[in-house]
This record gives sequence, structure tokens and C-alpha cells, in this order.
Amino acid sequence: DAKTTQPTSMDCAEGRAANLPCNHSTISGNEYVYWYRQIHSQGPQYIIHGLKNNETNEMASLIITEDRKSSTLILPHATLRDTAVYYCIEYTSGTYKYIFGTGTRLKVLA
Amino acid sequence: DTEVTQTPKHLVMGMTNKKSLKCEQHMGHRAMYWYKQKAKKPPELMFVYSYEKLSINESVPSRFSPECPNSSLLNLHLHALQPEDSALYLCASSQAIRGPKTEAFFGQGTRLTVV
Repeated sequence: DAKTTQPTSMDCAEGRAANLPCNHSTISGNEYVYWYRQIHSQGPQYIIHGLKNNETNEMASLIITEDRKSSTLILPHATLRDTAVYYCIEYTSGTYKYIFGTGTRLKVLA
Repeated sequence: DTEVTQTPKHLVMGMTNKKSLKCEQHMGHRAMYWYKQKAKKPPELMFVYSYEKLSINESVPSRFSPECPNSSLLNLHLHALQPEDSALYLCASSQAIRGPKTEAFFGQGTRLTVV
């Protein structure tokens, strides 16, 4: 399975945008990019996903590069409650497999 | 109801014990998953069931035995575990269809300690 890699940790000031990068240089054409977050070893929570185009929902925006080798999750106005581990995930629709990346520990600072 | 319910929340077992982890969902999802997560590491896929059949086993040792009795339930039977098997075990489910609406829902996990 292809691996996604992410920075180990990042800090962000409260109220500022948090930009979390993910490298998925070996992603294939039918693999979606998903983002989840995990707070205090609870179950991971869905944030957003995309295949080729940029996506936006009420929680975040997802920017995928044209060659699909990397993506960035944007939390537009980070709050203290956004402190969590954020995972970039590759999903293969043919096998229903969600493979987690290495994860970024985001700390939002007051 | 968008919940995946896992029981028990915590489990301590000896290396000679047999125990089972249970997972339940009522979203009509036809793919269900077991993941293992060690401290400060990402979840690692163990098994995938699609339409109640085991479709993926990620080379998991036979002391872990999954079972899918029906489309809503997923069990993980544990036997002769080792202390290094201590971890958070996560269950998830998804719609198992091609296309965009395929987010997975995760349970809160069972924290397993093998003594």
C-alpha cells in the first residue's frame, strides 16, 4: 500500500488559519484523499475528502495539487478545540481500504 | 443514527484467556473494519469485511479471529494474546460503494491490556 507522510507536529495561533500538508506521491488514480482527526485517543472523526478537485465544507477546505502528489487541509479559523492529531488517509474504492498516514499533531495556542 | 458502538470500552486479559470485542452499527453500511492503534501511532488496518465476507486480512496473526455474524455486527475474537498486543482497537464502517459518499465512521475503541 502507498504511504502518506505528514509533518510530525505543528503549532497554530488561535483564530489563524491552520495549513496541514500531506505528501501522497505514490497515490493512484482511483484513490481518494481523506482527512480525519483524532482527539485524546477517541475514534477518528471525518473532516473532508476529495479526488482531484479542491473541496470545502463547513469544517475545512482541501487543496489537492494538480499532479495529486500532495494536498493541504486548511482550517480557516483554528480554535483551541481543534487541537488534535490530523490524519491524511488514502482510500481505495475497489477494496474499501482506508490507509492512515503518519499524522500531524496540531496544537492551537491561545 | 450515525454511531458505531464498541464494547467493552476497556478490557484487561491474561495471555491464556479468550475474549471478544464487539462492534455494532445501524447505518446500513456493508463494509466493516478492525484497526489496531498503538500509542502515538496511526491506526493500522487489520481486517476488512464487505457484504459480510472477509475481503482483506492484513497478515494479522491467527490469535486474532474476526467474525461478521450479520450486516450490523462485527466481532474480534482474541486468544493467547501477547503483551505487545495491548493497544486501542478501533472498529469502523462505511457504505462500501464506489464514488464520493464513502466516509468511514469510527467507534470510540476498546482499550485492551494484555497481562
